[in-house]
Amino acid sequence: DQQVKQNSPSLSVQEGRISILNCDYTNSMFDYFLWYKKYPAEGPTFLISISSIKDKNEDGRFTVFLNKSAKHLSLHIVPSQPGDSAVYFCAASAASGGSNYKLTFGKGTLLTVNP
Amino acid sequence: ETGVTQSPTHLIKTRGQQVTLRCSSQSGHNTVSWYQQALGQGPQFIFQYYREEENGRGNFPPRFSGLQFPNYSSELNVNALELDDSALYLCASSSGTGHNQPQHFGDGTRLSIL
Repeated sequence: DQQVKQNSPSLSVQEGRISILNCDYTNSMFDYFLWYKKYPAEGPTFLISISSIKDKNEDGRFTVFLNKSAKHLSLHIVPSQPGDSAVYFCAASAASGGSNYKLTFGKGTLLTVNP
Repeated sequence: ETGVTQSPTHLIKTRGQQVTLRCSSQSGHNTVSWYQQALGQGPQFIFQYYREEENGRGNFPPRFSGLQFPNYSSELNVNALELDDSALYLCASSSGTGHNQPQHFGDGTRLSIL
């Protein structure tokens, strides 16, 4: 049962335009969400996170939006750059159940930014 | 600041063998989590260690076991290897088990089972 879903395996965008990566979740106990970027032969790199008490968090070119009622979040990258080409993973965790901090990941979206 | 380091980078084993993977956490981090990433999938949580004790476990059989040492480095041990254990094994460290502590990943160990 996939609790975190990234339904687009790939996305192609022109340099300078906006990239929008989407993520849906089914577990209503999730209350903290993260985005990671992964280049080939490297581990995932933390990008940005958002708590369920917020609906938006911004860090430079990266903005994450959270719609709790729809159980949906998205990552916006503006403007997109060729160096942003990577696999992007959405991850979620639940605070309930004590201090066990387990991340549940989606399958990832391959973003290609064309020059 | 030293990041998360994992060794070895690649490993080839045969069915039934045992393997030990190693992880050094980022400086200042006392919590280590292990994940398995199969081809085309996202990472899946195996277990977490905090102050040398297991602090949560995912849906993996007991032949997956671990250790954390006083310097917060960690080992993942897998016994009786199966073909399906072929995957990228990722270690992540964080500053405590607090809910808002992002986990920082190493580059992983690529394990192939023949």
